[in-house]
Amino acid sequence: QSVLTQPPSASGTPGQRVTISCSGSSSNIGSNTVNWYQQLPGTAPKLLIYSNNQRPSGVPDRISGSKSGTSASLAISGLQSEDEADYYCAAWDDSLNGWVFGGGTKLTVL
Amino acid sequence: QVHLVESGGGVVQPGRSLRLSCAASGFTFSSYAMHWVRQAPGKGLEWVAGIAYDGTNKYYADSVKGRFTISRDNSKNTLYLQMDSLRIEDTAVYYCARATAIVPFDFWGQGTLVTVSS
Repeated sequence: QSVLTQPPSASGTPGQRVTISCSGSSSNIGSNTVNWYQQLPGTAPKLLIYSNNQRPSGVPDRISGSKSGTSASLAISGLQSEDEADYYCAAWDDSLNGWVFGGGTKLTVL
Repeated sequence: QVHLVESGGGVVQPGRSLRLSCAASGFTFSSYAMHWVRQAPGKGLEWVAGIAYDGTNKYYADSVKGRFTISRDNSKNTLYLQMDSLRIEDTAVYYCARATAIVPFDFWGQGTLVTVSS
């Protein structure tokens, strides 16, 4: 059971906007920033969003992140087939004194 | 460009030890914290351990505390993970990842597979 809770799956058609939620607690998301990672099949994870809503160089602006209280969301607009991947949220947990990840959300482009 | 290459994975019996290495290049290794993150087959990501840029502070997940030891050699640009008393549930792909205080896990290696089996 992951400390951060994500829906196991999400889906959308090309061009649509999808959101993926990440729920935590006061010791992690409630007091620290949230980061998001994309993992394409058979590859290592890739940083997508850091500090709740910042995009690293090379990540398109159709991908965005937000945080409110003890929850966070990743939004992907203009969905493309290459967005089909697993997505993970992560945050530092003050109680555990370590990093915690969500269980991951598998995004399917229909 | 940033390059992280893990090595040392393999098949090992329960209770035995294994040491993983992560060779870094393309950046000033001694300026960055480093971490190990693992992924069991078909499962999600799990943070394992982290070490400060100078090796002074180390952090471990409860699941490996007392069994795994993270270390680094800044003169060799290499990160290590000594894994002792291995359990079947330690079977996973182990990734090394770079981090800063603001940007965690910004670059990852390709991973090395550790299989614990009798």
